[in-house]
Amino acid sequence: KQEVTQIPAALSVPEGENLVLNCSFTDSAIYNLQWFRQDPGKGLTSLLLIQSSQREQTSGRLNASLDKSSGRSTLYIAASQPGDSATYLCAVMGYGGATNKLIFGTGTLLAVQP
Amino acid sequence: DVKVTQSSRYLVKRTGEKVFLECVQDMDHENMFWYRQDPGLGLRLIYFSYDVKMKEKGDIPEGYSVSREKKERFSLILESASTNQTSMYLCASSLRTYSGGTEAFFGQGTRLTVV
Repeated sequence: KQEVTQIPAALSVPEGENLVLNCSFTDSAIYNLQWFRQDPGKGLTSLLLIQSSQREQTSGRLNASLDKSSGRSTLYIAASQPGDSATYLCAVMGYGGATNKLIFGTGTLLAVQP
Repeated sequence: DVKVTQSSRYLVKRTGEKVFLECVQDMDHENMFWYRQDPGLGLRLIYFSYDVKMKEKGDIPEGYSVSREKKERFSLILESASTNQTSMYLCASSLRTYSGGTEAFFGQGTRLTVV
């Protein structure tokens, strides 16, 4: 059974710092890995999608990498801002016959201090 | 823009009531999902559907059922609501693929309180 783990569970950094969030998964048979952001009491916003054949994806100050063989992904946030404060979740989409199940980690709560 | 819309942001129901949570997507996606999110437990999959009238149990289906009569709509049903079903419920959709996998899109969530 696929298990997804995110470390650290919480992180507090001063504004302007570069930071890395980690995601690991136990089963490398995945179609893709997706990073999401969640603001308190809200739904999830997709940040980046990395296909299993890709090594990384970039969007603005965000860069996500994927090492399928070791079961790891990182989300790098450059020059962090207070507006980046949120919970960050990673999810893997696995094989499953007719279905594409999306399995989530428990998230990293990020606080960027002004 | 892809839109996934959940019928209510907040809902308060009494124990024993039958509760319907509705989700509608406008992108012709085959896959639709219902998750619940609880502090310390993350998002847990309740049910998913990969086509009209097709459904599969997720990790925590007990106490829930689903209905997918039309492609764009996926309903979560609490047959007899209990206080331990108080939670944030999130709906998502994605294209079905066998070769690559596609981006999943989420609704804004429904905060359900059972009293």
